[in-house]
Amino acid sequence: DTEVTQTPKHLVMGMTNKKSLKCEQHMGHRAMYWYKQKAKKPPELMFVYSYEKLSINESVPSRFSPECPNSSLLNLHLHALQPEDSALYLCASSQEVISSSEQYFGPGTRLTVT
Amino acid sequence: KNEVEQSPQNLTAQEGEFITINCSYSVGISALHWLQQHPGGGIVSLFMLSSGKKKHGRLIATINIQEKHSSLHITASHPRDSAVYICAVSRGTEKLVFGKGTKLTVNP
Repeated sequence: DTEVTQTPKHLVMGMTNKKSLKCEQHMGHRAMYWYKQKAKKPPELMFVYSYEKLSINESVPSRFSPECPNSSLLNLHLHALQPEDSALYLCASSQEVISSSEQYFGPGTRLTVT
Repeated sequence: KNEVEQSPQNLTAQEGEFITINCSYSVGISALHWLQQHPGGGIVSLFMLSSGKKKHGRLIATINIQEKHSSLHITASHPRDSAVYICAVSRGTEKLVFGKGTKLTVNP
């Protein structure tokens, strides 16, 4: 199984809502990533988890809160988002957090904040 | 100046044509990645390479470390190859640095 799954595929939320994005992989990878991608732009790294511990936070606003409950799951909790947070949110995983480790991406969650 | 530069930004081809997308980078790297993204979709990793050449089906990726340059070739292009192709580089445990992507359209 070389698949990274993400749910939901689409999400519309108001600025006062609380929602969560979920990501799952069963490849035994120990590194998991959240990226944000705006239209016609490359992905921007948000967070990196290595062995279930947060290792990189790219100065992401606190309205985005990541969580790694176990080695297969990665969540992104959303609260009090702004319309400019509307984007495609991509999850990825790799064997380790090193450059020789290929990243596998999920299909993304298309988020719209109204 | 971006660390990773891709050319061309947009490319239109007729079905069956041979396609080349180029990527240049300005710093030493551990690996170079070629990624594919269909409209509205997730990203698929096509190749990860640190030297030489790799081939998968109709796709070929080459890298010249001395010249800091990589190319992605598509032989016998097909409309289903229409997508954005992204070059990214990695160093050590640093994050991936992405190029801006090349939008490929293959017309039947």
